[in-house]
Amino acid sequence: AQKVTQAQTEISVVEKEDVTLDCVYETRDTTYYLFWYKQPPSGELVFLIRRNSFDEQNEISGRYSWNFQKSTSSFNFTITASQVVDSAVYFCALTGGAAGNKLTFGGGTRVLVKP
Amino acid sequence: GAVVSQHPSWVICKSGTSVKIECRSLDFQATTMFWYRQFPKQSLMLMATSNEGSKATYEQGVEKDKFLINHASLTLSTLTVTSAHPEDSSFYICSARERQGGLTGANVLTFGAGSRLTVL
Repeated sequence: AQKVTQAQTEISVVEKEDVTLDCVYETRDTTYYLFWYKQPPSGELVFLIRRNSFDEQNEISGRYSWNFQKSTSSFNFTITASQVVDSAVYFCALTGGAAGNKLTFGGGTRVLVKP
Repeated sequence: GAVVSQHPSWVICKSGTSVKIECRSLDFQATTMFWYRQFPKQSLMLMATSNEGSKATYEQGVEKDKFLINHASLTLSTLTVTSAHPEDSSFYICSARERQGGLTGANVLTFGAGSRLTVL
């Protein structure tokens, strides 16, 4: 069975601070995909990134960066110089193997960026 | 980019009535759509997988007769909450996978904006 754990339920930071969201996953599949989604207060899910199990390259996109460490089964997400608009719930998710595109979501981390 | 539209975005109904939620892929054909449920301050839980032209596959613990799913075309899936009760109040989100994805393996799912159901 697949499992995604986001240990931090809520993080509060002041604008311009960096914030790192942890994600630890469990899977028996050798091929799998990891995702991060943002859910702002309006409710829709916004896709941020997808990473497959064979690509451990870290990625940077603007103020966002991701650190994929297969050895520790982690896929952490960092927001640099946070802004108020970053306030949202962030979900880490996993799919792969027989699961097809069925996403297993972590519990989510609520980020509150204060001005 | 791919867009998924959900309607209605919010609905309030009386206990005992049925409510239908639509999920449409606007600019692509979706052979598979997924329905998720999200309680306040909780994560998304997969309810069922909807495949065009066939019966939906429900996750363990989800009542098939309570949550009717129909995927009659490549662009539309509907979720009907039958005889709704207050405990069915939740945020329902659908996602769709393109018929022919551009990348091998797990294509990026496109999510709808969600439908908030409140049963009085």
